[in-house]
Amino acid sequence: GAVVSQHPSWVICKSGTSVKIECRSLDFQATTMFWYRQFPKQSLMLMATSNEGSKATYEQGVEKDKFLINHASLTLSTLTVTSAHPEDSSFYICSAKTSGRAGISYNEQFFGPGTRLTVL
Amino acid sequence: AQSVAQPEDQVNVAEGNPLTVKCTYSVSGNPYLFWYVQYPNRGLQFLLKYITGDNLVKGSYGFEAEFNKSQTSFHLKKPSALVSDSALYFCAAWRDSSYKLIFGSGTRLLVRP
Repeated sequence: GAVVSQHPSWVICKSGTSVKIECRSLDFQATTMFWYRQFPKQSLMLMATSNEGSKATYEQGVEKDKFLINHASLTLSTLTVTSAHPEDSSFYICSAKTSGRAGISYNEQFFGPGTRLTVL
Repeated sequence: AQSVAQPEDQVNVAEGNPLTVKCTYSVSGNPYLFWYVQYPNRGLQFLLKYITGDNLVKGSYGFEAEFNKSQTSFHLKKPSALVSDSALYFCAAWRDSSYKLIFGSGTRLLVRP
């Protein structure tokens, strides 16, 4: 149990276009989802936190108008990179946590496999 | 400011030898600590966590970690390394009661055959 998927696994787009990345919890309800960004050979940086049915909260320095996050259901959060530019190229990883379910600890985040975005 | 530090960019060990990947933390309140492993172009896989209780925590794939409150450390260990253990390892801690994780910079483990 506690599987998180991301789609697509990789995407290449032209500069100026928008890209949507989906994060799904497959076998549990995710009350909270987190979006991270990882540059090559670097650590994960938290971008934003999304709670189902409410606006996402963004970390300092993250442009909320550029990285649109929607957490429309308990199993789906989306990250849209608007007007993407080459500097947005990165590995984007989501994670999900639940408020509690049999067999899943409430204090653990489960990570998706990541999405590699390349903006030409 | 709360932080997690991994002082070694890379750790090299021979297969069959014990391995240690170091982590120190600076958080307010009781520390909630985690270790994750990442393989190339993949997301993070959970290895183990310390919430409370025994200082020696056992996790997946034969890994364990020792919590040391006085030294504010949470080093990852394995008695006998495998070549397949070669990957990027991240130590993390809850930043605050919001469950947000702060990550160390990562340590690349290379196990030689």
